[in-house]
Amino acid sequence: DGGITQSPKYLFRKEGQNVTLSCEQNLNHDAMYWYRQDPGQGLRLIYYSQIVNDFQKGDIAEGYSVSREKKESFPLTVTSAQKNPTAFYLCASRPRGRDTQYFGPGTRLTVL
Amino acid sequence: QKEVEQDPGPLSVPEGAIVSLNCTYSNSAFQYFMWYRQYSRKGPELLMYTYSSGNKEDGRFTAQVDKSSKYISLFIRDSQPSDSATYLCAMSSTRDDKIIFGKGTRLHILP
Repeated sequence: DGGITQSPKYLFRKEGQNVTLSCEQNLNHDAMYWYRQDPGQGLRLIYYSQIVNDFQKGDIAEGYSVSREKKESFPLTVTSAQKNPTAFYLCASRPRGRDTQYFGPGTRLTVL
Repeated sequence: QKEVEQDPGPLSVPEGAIVSLNCTYSNSAFQYFMWYRQYSRKGPELLMYTYSSGNKEDGRFTAQVDKSSKYISLFIRDSQPSDSATYLCAMSSTRDDKIIFGKGTRLHILP
């Protein structure tokens, strides 16, 4: 069953703790993306990766970090430096030569 | 001026009506245009994709692009309560470029 999976669906953390959000895809897509979605803000790009072992900052990368050690996986770490981490986080992937992105189900992070 | 503008709604229409959703943009380099549908607390799903100007139809959905006016539209015919969702327009200028998303329009179809 092909697709993009994000886990967990809901995540709660205490302020000051780092937390890592998982994103896995078995679609053999080259590019992967992380977005943050807040009410009234739309989708804002955090980081993206076109190939393994390479990634670029998006529009709001401060307080976040990523890695791309495998084609299938693109985990996002929300660090304690992120001032307002509570949000809905979406992972997406894009096949080579195509300009459309496909999204995972999202992780809702709440920092208490 | 923002790159992509989309009325946030909410837009409420009776079941069976024709729905028109729109976005305007400022970057004339955009060539690829998409519409995504997002149900509450779910990830967006790709609904329609068009390249350059023109119309594209898929079932009850029609996407229209007018590059001269920098205006794109999504029409939904015979709207159903299951069409109630947030609709995001998106666009990009090259196949390897970032996609720019509108903020989304919330649509409610009233039974």
